[in-house]
Amino acid sequence: KQEVTQIPAALSVPEGENLVLNCSFTDSAIYNLQWFRQDPGKGLTSLLLIQSSQREQTSGRLNASLDKSSGRSTLYIAASQPGDSATYLCAVRITQGGSEKLVFGKGTKLTVNP
Amino acid sequence: EAGVVQSPRYKIIEKKQPVAFWCNPISGHNTLYWYLQNLGQGPELLIRYENEEAVDDSQLPKDRFSAERLKGVDSTLKIQPAELGDSAVYLCASSLFQENEQYFGPGTRLTVT
Repeated sequence: KQEVTQIPAALSVPEGENLVLNCSFTDSAIYNLQWFRQDPGKGLTSLLLIQSSQREQTSGRLNASLDKSSGRSTLYIAASQPGDSATYLCAVRITQGGSEKLVFGKGTKLTVNP
Repeated sequence: EAGVVQSPRYKIIEKKQPVAFWCNPISGHNTLYWYLQNLGQGPELLIRYENEEAVDDSQLPKDRFSAERLKGVDSTLKIQPAELGDSAVYLCASSLFQENEQYFGPGTRLTVT
């Protein structure tokens, strides 16, 4: 059974700092990996999607890497801002029971202090 | 382009009462998902529709939960009767097809007292 783990569960940093969020998964048979952002009381917003054949994806101050063989992904946030405060979730797309599904981690709650 | 719309945003009911949640996906999206998210956890899939067909409902507690997507557009998720443990956020998502990126609605926060 695929399990997704995110470390740390919570992170607090001062504004301007670069930071890394970690995601690990137990089964390397994935189609892709996706990073989401969730603000309190809101739904999920997709940030980056990395296909299994890719090593990284970049969008603005965000860079996500994928090492499928070791079951790891990182989300790098450069020059963090208070507006980056949110919970960040990673999810892997797998096949289970003949259909594809997303398996999510529990998330990392990020607080960027001004 | 409008995103995924869900209503109500919040619902408080007493246990044993019925409750229903509504979702309107992004126009043209064939695939619709209902997820359950408990506090401090990631979302877990309840049911997936391809057009009006429920193609994956293995995680849906069928004794009390039901869902429908009659015309392959809007969907309704129902709980009857609700239990205390059903308190959670119910998220709806849609995608063009199963393999495409999913877009999430804001969710319905259910509190069962």
